Amino acid sequence: GAVVSQHPSWVICKSGTSVKIECRSLDFQATTMFWYRQFPKQSLMLMATSNEGSKATYEQGVEKDKFLINHASLTLSTLTVTSAHPEDSSFYICSATTGGGDNQPQHFGDGTRLSIL
Amino acid sequence: GENVEQHPSTLSVQEGDSAVIKCTYSDSASNYFPWYKQELGKRPQLIIDIRSNVGEKKDQRIAVTLNKTAKHFSLHITETQPEDSAVYFCAASRGSNYKLTFGKGTLLTVNP
Repeated sequence: GAVVSQHPSWVICKSGTSVKIECRSLDFQATTMFWYRQFPKQSLMLMATSNEGSKATYEQGVEKDKFLINHASLTLSTLTVTSAHPEDSSFYICSATTGGGDNQPQHFGDGTRLSIL
Repeated sequence: GENVEQHPSTLSVQEGDSAVIKCTYSDSASNYFPWYKQELGKRPQLIIDIRSNVGEKKDQRIAVTLNKTAKHFSLHITETQPEDSAVYFCAASRGSNYKLTFGKGTLLTVNP
């Protein structure tokens, strides 16, 4: 159980285009989803916390107009990188939790490797 | 905000030896401490977690200890195997449904 699916797994696109990444909880309802960014050989840096039906909470230094997050249902959150540039190239990973009072852990998707040419 | 320090950054052991990775945290309100294993290009996988009302937890060859007074927690892997080679991340949170703050990771290499 507790499977999180992330799509696509790999994207290459030209500078200036927008890219949408989907994160789905397949067998549970995720009230909270998190979006992380990971550069090579570095740790995971939280970008934003997404709660179903409300606006995402962005971490300091993350441009909310650049990284659009939507959490329209209990099983789907999307991250759109708008007008992507080479410096946006990175590994993006989502995680999801039920958010219940019994402290269920976060489960991660497989990640999306984004390369901007 | 929370700050998590992790040491060492790299660790090389011989197969069968034990490995210990240590983390410290700064936020006294943190009460949930998971450990993740990440293989190259793959997702982080939860291997064990501990909550602040527990001092130690064990799952087969893996154990985690927590000292809340000193604000540090450690991962212990016994009888290491080559397949244990990966990057290990510690993290801290005010609850598992709150945001995680990760340490910088430890690259563990188990030499056969």
